[in-house]
Amino acid sequence: GQNIDQPTEMTATEGAIVQINCTYQTSGFNGLFWYQQHAGEAPTFLSYNVLDGLEEKGRFSSFLSRSKGYSYLLLKELQMKDSASYLCAPEGNTGFQKLVFGTGTRLLVSP
Amino acid sequence: DVKVTQSSRYLVKRTGEKVFLECVQDMDHENMFWYRQDPGLGLRLIYFSYDVKMKEKGDIPEGYSVSREKKERFSLILESASTNQTSMYLCASSFLPGETQYFGPGTRLLVL
Repeated sequence: GQNIDQPTEMTATEGAIVQINCTYQTSGFNGLFWYQQHAGEAPTFLSYNVLDGLEEKGRFSSFLSRSKGYSYLLLKELQMKDSASYLCAPEGNTGFQKLVFGTGTRLLVSP
Repeated sequence: DVKVTQSSRYLVKRTGEKVFLECVQDMDHENMFWYRQDPGLGLRLIYFSYDVKMKEKGDIPEGYSVSREKKERFSLILESASTNQTSMYLCASSFLPGETQYFGPGTRLLVL
């Protein structure tokens, strides 16, 4: 079966660092996507990890451990506009790019 | 910039009506997807298509059908709408595995 686990909600203050964890069990694995979704809007791409390790992209970094079925998204220097849901989505290896989305983590950044 | 558009942002239909949701992408993407998003359940895949006239069932295809007659257009059809199909419907497209899916703005459907 397929199972993705993320915290439902997190809170943090402006300027802080927050880590959003995701554990997954999927039948077949290619890589893992992270998306950001503001309320009432479409998800937008943040990162894609294929290899183990940390990939840094500005204020956002994403980590993957394939053997542990674990990923995290690290957000630094938090800004109010980072208040959004963050979706973890492992990609299967069927060749059809079928993603399985977690329920998402709602992050609230306060002043 | 990739653009994925959906025919309506908001739609209100009655139980039993046939409903068409249209999605168009302008980047010549091979793959197109239909999801629904519900609170506490996340994004769930209804159907996807990897080529014209080709379709594959996702995780929750019951009560839905799809059509892809042209590469840029992917339609989701609710043959007989029911109240439990009230949801946010999101269309997405992508070029290859390992590349991001680009999402449309979504259609919020209310079935009365």
